[in-house]
Amino acid sequence: AQSVTQLDSHVSVSEGTPVLLRCNYSSSYSPSLFWYVQHPNKGLQLLLKYTSAATLVKGINGFEAEFKKSETSFHLTKPSAHMSDAAEYFCVVSGSGNTGKLIFGQGTTLQVKP
Amino acid sequence: DTAVSQTPKYLVTQMGNDKSIKCEQNLGHDTMYWYKQDSKKFLKIMFSYNNKELIINETVPNRFSPKSPDKAHLNLHINSLELGDSAVYFCASSQAPGRDYEQYFGPGTRLTVT
Repeated sequence: AQSVTQLDSHVSVSEGTPVLLRCNYSSSYSPSLFWYVQHPNKGLQLLLKYTSAATLVKGINGFEAEFKKSETSFHLTKPSAHMSDAAEYFCVVSGSGNTGKLIFGQGTTLQVKP
Repeated sequence: DTAVSQTPKYLVTQMGNDKSIKCEQNLGHDTMYWYKQDSKKFLKIMFSYNNKELIINETVPNRFSPKSPDKAHLNLHINSLELGDSAVYFCASSQAPGRDYEQYFGPGTRLTVT
């Protein structure tokens, strides 16, 4: 069965400092992995996705993530946080089959301090 | 133009009532989904339709019934509402089912059952 664990429920950084949001996954096959962002009272927006191509994936707004099969990790990073990055971030793994089922992690709240 | 829209945005109702949430997408996608986000922000898929055919039906009480009148619409009807149904419900769509297709989310419908 597929599952995803976000290692931090809450991360706080200062504006201009790096961001690291950690995610480990479990999958019985080669998965597709995603990071979604949810701003307060908004829907979800795709930041980036890994689908078995390059292991370093670049997304929108300066975010990137690296797929590490040996560590079963897909951590999200950004070199310099901006106040507008404050939001809820979800690491997501694709479900089995070809139905489009997504399995979400518990979410990480990113706080950015001025 | 809004890609995935949901109505209503907020829904407050009493236990035992029946209510519907509507979803429409103007992206020309074949696949639509319903997700439930609970009070701890955990997201879980409920249903998915591809070309008006049900392809995902998670363990959801049969009080919940999705209906897809056409590819652009996926409505969620809930009978005999219970307190535990209070949540944010998100609709999403993708070009096709499968892990390689990005899902676009609507803004959510916050359901409060009193």
